[in-house]
Amino acid sequence: GENVEQHPSTLSVQEGDSAVIKCTYSDSASNYFPWYKQELGKRPQLIIDIRSNVGEKKDQRIAVTLNKTAKHFSLHITETQPEDSAVYFCAASQSNNNDMRFGAGTRLTVKP
Amino acid sequence: KAGVTQTPRYLIKTRGQQVTLSCSPISGHRSVSWYQQTPGQGLQFLFEYFSETQRNKGNFPGRFSGRQFSNSRSEMNVSTLELGDSALYLCASSRRASNEKLFFGSGTQLSVL
Repeated sequence: GENVEQHPSTLSVQEGDSAVIKCTYSDSASNYFPWYKQELGKRPQLIIDIRSNVGEKKDQRIAVTLNKTAKHFSLHITETQPEDSAVYFCAASQSNNNDMRFGAGTRLTVKP
Repeated sequence: KAGVTQTPRYLIKTRGQQVTLSCSPISGHRSVSWYQQTPGQGLQFLFEYFSETQRNKGNFPGRFSGRQFSNSRSEMNVSTLELGDSALYLCASSRRASNEKLFFGSGTQLSVL
């Protein structure tokens, strides 16, 4: 089955700086890669996703890049703000297979 | 539109007991997935149901089981509870047959003493 590794496990940045979280996956058949944000005590929420036929996707300050050959994808957050502080999870799956596998999460802290 | 609803919010059980957790998906969503969340382990996939059929199952022992009803509501059962089963159990629903764009519930926090 799919195995997703996520790095780093914790990340601390200064407000206004950029943050990058990286994930690798093992199953070359995976074609759907979402990112979820979980604030303390709250439920995970989808913030951005990308399919394998796209190399990059942006949504305001958030972007995701995908390298299918290397089987890794990354989340980029620019101009970080304190409200970006949360745990971020990457995931991978085949879009026709509901077996979604998540990374272990990255705790991002944005210092004001 | 109501979100994904999980009940109960908290549960305290002792070893050897069994427990049933409930999940009501967003109206119109037919896929329900269950995840176990523990500190440092992230979200571990338990199983997924669509139209009352279990389509995928994660690497959990047979003590973990589930089902889905015709109204898409789902239940998860854990028998013979162990201390290591203490975790936050999250369910997520999706409108499509695929698991894209999951909407999570607030979870059930299970403590096994």
